[in-house]
Amino acid sequence: GQQLNQSPQSMFIQEGEDVSMNCTSSSIFNTWLWYKQDPGEGPVLLIALYKAGELTSNGRLTAQFGITRKDSFLNISASIPSDVGIYFCAGQRNTGNQFYFGTGTSLTVIP
Amino acid sequence: EAQVTQNPRYLITVTGKKLTVTCSQNMNHEYMSWYRQDPGLGLRQIYYSMNVEVTDKGDVPEGYKVSRKEKRNFPLILESPSPNQTSLYFCASSPTSYEQYFGPGTRLTVT
Repeated sequence: GQQLNQSPQSMFIQEGEDVSMNCTSSSIFNTWLWYKQDPGEGPVLLIALYKAGELTSNGRLTAQFGITRKDSFLNISASIPSDVGIYFCAGQRNTGNQFYFGTGTSLTVIP
Repeated sequence: EAQVTQNPRYLITVTGKKLTVTCSQNMNHEYMSWYRQDPGLGLRQIYYSMNVEVTDKGDVPEGYKVSRKEKRNFPLILESPSPNQTSLYFCASSPTSYEQYFGPGTRLTVT
């Protein structure tokens, strides 16, 4: 199946630091999505991207749809303890409902 | 309250004993999906449905069945579970083809 490579696998940062993570694919996607999963819960959608080059923000979160359509980036500014969790990228090739998820980035914020 | 519910939340069973995990949504969403989540592999889509009586295979459909007889329900059926189907399962529903709302998860152990 389709593999999305997400990096880094884990991050340990101090509260207040900025965070960057990315996701790459061997094939093109038409939609990129970023989710956050808290322990014991299902993923929650953070940001959706629909066009190559698109840059979208949601509060302290900013995500970009790579120009090649094979990658995407998520930045979190001024991290806070509640940012702790696992962040997943997901790609979708066509309209429909088939998705491919990355392997996740585990974020730990040290107060 | 708008939500996706899954039952049971936890299940321990034995190899070969048929089981069903139910999923129900109260948001009148067209799209529904099943995923499994395994350490280091992220979420992988098992099956998805774009409407009543319309279902399609995702990335890892082997050993699973689904049905969509009503809009609100999308049960996942394991006819003959095996230990490699031990996993955390998530159901999701979407009003559009991309914006998914995930259920709380079902942790399945097959011995």
